[in-house]
Amino acid sequence: GENVEQHPSTLSVQEGDSAVIKCTYSDSASNYFPWYKQELGKRPQLIIDIRSNVGEKKDQRIAVTLNKTAKHFSLHITETQPEDSAVYFCAAPPIFEYSSASKIIFGSGTRLSIRP
Amino acid sequence: GAVVSQHPSWVICKSGTSVKIECRSLDFQATTMFWYRQFPKQSLMLMATSNEGSKATYEQGVEKDKFLINHASLTLSTLTVTSAHPEDSSFYICSASPGTADQPQHFGDGTRLSIL
Repeated sequence: GENVEQHPSTLSVQEGDSAVIKCTYSDSASNYFPWYKQELGKRPQLIIDIRSNVGEKKDQRIAVTLNKTAKHFSLHITETQPEDSAVYFCAAPPIFEYSSASKIIFGSGTRLSIRP
Repeated sequence: GAVVSQHPSWVICKSGTSVKIECRSLDFQATTMFWYRQFPKQSLMLMATSNEGSKATYEQGVEKDKFLINHASLTLSTLTVTSAHPEDSSFYICSASPGTADQPQHFGDGTRLSIL
C-alpha cells in the first residue's frame, strides 16, 4: 500500500521567512497530492493540491512542487505570518478519481511555528 | 460547498460505555465515507472505509468488533466505539467525498472522545 513520509516533524521560522516541508510517497501510480493545514482541535483544511500532470502550482504565498521521478513533493510558504502557525500534513490517495471516493494516506505532519 | 456534519463534538464517559458518533453529508450524497483517528500530536490514521449498504472495510490493526460502522443511508455513517476504555480516548474525524472536482474529501469537525 501507499506509504507517505514527511519531513521535518517540527519547523520554526522567523516571520517573513520561507518555510519548506517535504514528502515522499511510495506508490508510483499516485496521481494527486493534497496538502492540509490543521489547527489545534480542528478539522484538516485543504490549502493546496497538485495533480501528477503538473510540476508546480502556486496560490498566493503557497506553492507546491512535484517530482514524479523521485516521488516527492514539497510545500513552500513564503513571507510567513503568525497565522501560518499550525500542523501541516501532506497526503496521497493511492489512486484518485473524481468520480469515486478514494481513501487518503496522511504524512506524519509538520508542526510549523512562526517566530515574531 | 459540500458540508460534512459530525456529532457529538465531544464526549466524556465512563470506561465500559459504548459511544456512537454520527457523520452526515448535509448537501450531497456519499456512498463512501471514511473514519480517522488522531491521537495527540500525531497524524490522522485511517481506521475504516464506510460503504453505504455494505460492510465497512477496516485498515490493518483496527478491531472491527470494537469499532462498529454502519452506513445505512447515502448521507449518514455512524461509528460506535463499543465498551470504550481510556486507551480509546482520541480525536475521531469522518470525511466524505461528493465525487466532484473540487477536492477529494470533506472533513467533519471531529469528535473528541475522553474515557475516564
